[in-house]
Amino acid sequence: AQTVTQSQPEMSVQEAETVTLSCTYDTSESNYYLFWYKQPPSRQMILVIRQEAYKQQNATENRFSVNFQKAAKSFSLKISDSQLGDTAMYFCAFMRDYTGANSKLTFGKGITLSVRP
Amino acid sequence: EAGVAQSPRYKIIEKRQSVAFWCNPISGHATLYWYQQILGQGPKLLIQFQNNGVVDDSQLPKDRFSAERLKGVDSTLKIQPAKLEDSAVYLCASSMTGINYGYTFGSGTRLTVV
Repeated sequence: AQTVTQSQPEMSVQEAETVTLSCTYDTSESNYYLFWYKQPPSRQMILVIRQEAYKQQNATENRFSVNFQKAAKSFSLKISDSQLGDTAMYFCAFMRDYTGANSKLTFGKGITLSVRP
Repeated sequence: EAGVAQSPRYKIIEKRQSVAFWCNPISGHATLYWYQQILGQGPKLLIQFQNNGVVDDSQLPKDRFSAERLKGVDSTLKIQPAKLEDSAVYLCASSMTGINYGYTFGSGTRLTVV
C-alpha cells in the first residue's frame, strides 16, 4: 500500500517571498502520479500541479514548481512570489494510474500555509 | 461546465441518527468517488463507482455506511446509525477515464455528530 507523509503541520511566509512545502511517499510502483492540491476554506480541492513519475523533468505551473526526487521518494512544492490568495491547506497526493481502482488518490495529512501581508 | 454539486453543505445530527448526502457529478463523468476527510487529516477514499458499478469499497464501514449511484449519474451516501467519529467533511469527486482527465471535487458536506 502507498503512504504519503507531510511532516510540517503549518508554515507561514511573507507576501512576495518563496516557500517550499515538503512531501515524502512510499511505493513499490515504478510508474505513478503525484499531485499537490490546494484546499481553501471553501473546502473544494483544487489541483495545483501534477507530476508523472516517468518524467525526469520537474513540473511547473506559473508560480508553482516541484522538486521531484524519485530515488529519494520526495516531492516538494515551491511557491514563488507568494500571494495572499495562496493561504490554504495544501495536500500531497499519490495515484497509481488513471484506470479503475488504481485511480484513487492517497493523501498526506496536509499543511496549513499562511501568507502574511 | 458546471462543477460537482453536493448537498447539504452542513449537517448536525445526534449520534445513532441517520443522515444522507447527495452528489451530482459533472455530466459525462463515468467515475465518482466519495472521500471522508476527518479534521486534521487528508481525505480517505470510502467508495468508488464506475458508471453504476462499485470499483472499490474496501474502506467503507459497511455495517453503517451505504452508497448507491442510480443510473450511473447522481450518488447518495448514507450513514445509519451515526457515531461521534463520523464527524468529518464528506467530499464527492468525479472524473472521466484516462490520463488527460483529472478529478473535479465538490465543496463537500461537513457533518457534525453530537
